[in-house]
Amino acid sequence: GAGVSQSPSNKVTEKGKDVELRCDPISGHTALYWYRQSLGQGLEFLIYFQGNSAPDKSGLPSDRFSAERTGGSVSTLTIQRTQQEDSAVYLCASSLVAGGPTGELFFGEGSRLTVL
Amino acid sequence: GNSVTQMEGPVTLSEEAFLTINCTYTATGYPSLFWYVQYPGEGLQLLLKATKADDKGSNKGFEATYRKETTSFHLEKGSVQVSDSAVYFCALSDRTWNDMRFGAGTRLTVKP
Repeated sequence: GAGVSQSPSNKVTEKGKDVELRCDPISGHTALYWYRQSLGQGLEFLIYFQGNSAPDKSGLPSDRFSAERTGGSVSTLTIQRTQQEDSAVYLCASSLVAGGPTGELFFGEGSRLTVL
Repeated sequence: GNSVTQMEGPVTLSEEAFLTINCTYTATGYPSLFWYVQYPGEGLQLLLKATKADDKGSNKGFEATYRKETTSFHLEKGSVQVSDSAVYFCALSDRTWNDMRFGAGTRLTVKP
């Protein structure tokens, strides 16, 4: 499709299990972002990829969180040993250029994670 | 570091009322400023933007003016509709840092 695609749209898991969330950005977009949106909260920045540069991981809340972006396209966010406080909607966004004058991000519909 | 602060919600208005959602920012450089909107059941989408001081972004009857002197980018609409019910996010992009930072979001409910 033409937009940012995320999967799964919903994931229910048990505490302590690992989960993987996938993001397929818009073709040609060099920048990719992961955000977390908790119930009643705003967007929390997690990680940012720009081309082949080292990612900005400054927003990852703990070492249980990791992300990779293969071939400059698809990205996977992995949460190990999930905790109940990890329950949130995980949003992926991509942009043609990173920040700058345009700066428009195109968001996926998110992956809702529920940790029981 | 860069950050955005926007008024806390929720905000509830009657149809045709005037809307203001306040947003102020902190940045070391000369950022671009944005308002994103998230309608129920949908992903975030760009509503409007302004890239330099005194610029006015506008779309769908919404407006926001980039005020460098007050470091603000308040969102306004003269007459809201039920269909404007959504969560609105103020955001900042610093050209040198190449990342986007969002405010906490303000939920708007418009009642008929």
